[in-house]
Amino acid sequence: QLQLQESGPGLVKPSETLSLTCTVSGGSISSSSYYWGWIRQPPGKGLEWIGSIYYSGSTYYNPSLKSRVTISVDTSKNQFSLKLSSVTAADTAVYYCARRGGNWNDYDPWGQGTLVTVSS
Amino acid sequence: SSELTQDPAVSVALGQTVRITCQGDSLRSYYASWYQQKPGQAPVLVIYGKNNRPSGIPDRFSGSSSGNTASLTITGAQAEDEADYYCNSRDSSGNHLDVFGTGTKVTVL
Repeated sequence: QLQLQESGPGLVKPSETLSLTCTVSGGSISSSSYYWGWIRQPPGKGLEWIGSIYYSGSTYYNPSLKSRVTISVDTSKNQFSLKLSSVTAADTAVYYCARRGGNWNDYDPWGQGTLVTVSS
Repeated sequence: SSELTQDPAVSVALGQTVRITCQGDSLRSYYASWYQQKPGQAPVLVIYGKNNRPSGIPDRFSGSSSGNTASLTITGAQAEDEADYYCNSRDSSGNHLDVFGTGTKVTVL
């Protein structure tokens, strides 16, 4: 059974870079059938798509975040990562990683999510 | 970029049928996926593609689409269906950009 697990600091200072890693277990991140994505949810608000990556390294970003986002993949570790630079309090959210189907925009499964708070 | 608009909240009597809608220009070209999210939990995929249910999702959940509107129908709503529901689709640009809907809170009375 495929499982995803987010990891990284729960507290980041304003203007610094948020860094998270998603570890995939029970399956290979190098499957040609899937993409791997990051989604976030500010407290009490809705879901926001951040971006996704293919195992080959091709990336796709939300235009509203594109200037600050970098998603990368490490196939040797079966992991993919998110970096979000110049963070502000508005970036405080639960960050989820998820697998995305190649044919449909279906995100399944999801990691449990990790809360990242931006505060000094 | 595209936007997907959902009604903020709907209610349904136990055992009755409720339809949740998602509107957006990209839905004229792409199917919506639907997710159920309960408090403190990660979203769970319930419908994808034309009307496909992942393993383990009850058949009371179904999806449909017409024009710029996608719908998720719960036929015979159960107490455990009370949750937030989000639609998701590709951006109308089609360049592997995705977008989530604004979300609908479903209350089972």
